[in-house]
Amino acid sequence: EAGVAQSPRYKIIEKRQSVAFWCNPISGHATLYWYQQILGQGPKLLIQFQNNGVVDDSQLPKDRFSAERLKGVDSTLKIQPAKLEDSAVYLCASTPWGLNEQFFGPGTRLTVL
Amino acid sequence: AQSVTQLDSQVPVFEEAPVELRCNYSSSVSVYLFWYVQYPNQGLQLLLKYLSGSTLVESINGFEAEFNKSQTSFHLRKPSVHISDTAEYFCAVSLSGGYNKLIFGAGTRLAVHP
Repeated sequence: EAGVAQSPRYKIIEKRQSVAFWCNPISGHATLYWYQQILGQGPKLLIQFQNNGVVDDSQLPKDRFSAERLKGVDSTLKIQPAKLEDSAVYLCASTPWGLNEQFFGPGTRLTVL
Repeated sequence: AQSVTQLDSQVPVFEEAPVELRCNYSSSVSVYLFWYVQYPNQGLQLLLKYLSGSTLVESINGFEAEFNKSQTSFHLRKPSVHISDTAEYFCAVSLSGGYNKLIFGAGTRLAVHP
């Protein structure tokens, strides 16, 4: 079974630029999560989807971050414009129905200069 | 609200020695508890979880953790570590029931020396 796929793996941009990350969860997983992991900290949830609906986006900085999961499968997270403090690893995870366990992708490491 | 405290940011240990990574949580409602491991440049991998039942849970590679409700702890132990156990370990909680977000501690870096 293929795991959670994320791309790109690494991205370097300058502040005020825009960036987008892509996540393809494990086939059949209805719940998808985006986490932000700043260096030296544990991951923090940005947004959670159940199929194509948003369950929790309370910690998403909505003035600059957006995310969508239009067909309930893959998802895109966008930052526009980026700030220096957005430098982090962005992790995508998914959960199958009936199992309380999150499967994580390898992450996208974003560096904002 | 829930929170997780990992009491040690770094734990150095010699190969074949025992190790304990400490985790305490705070919650006014029932929670599930997890330990994840992160190797360099990789995503998080589930090591073990406590949902209900026996308070002692074990992983396939020799780690175990015990849920202690009175002390609100979920410490991770291994009786004999290997070089390959060198990694970052994260303790996490989620609300019980449903598919809820994970709330992570800051992590403990385990460094196993020969």
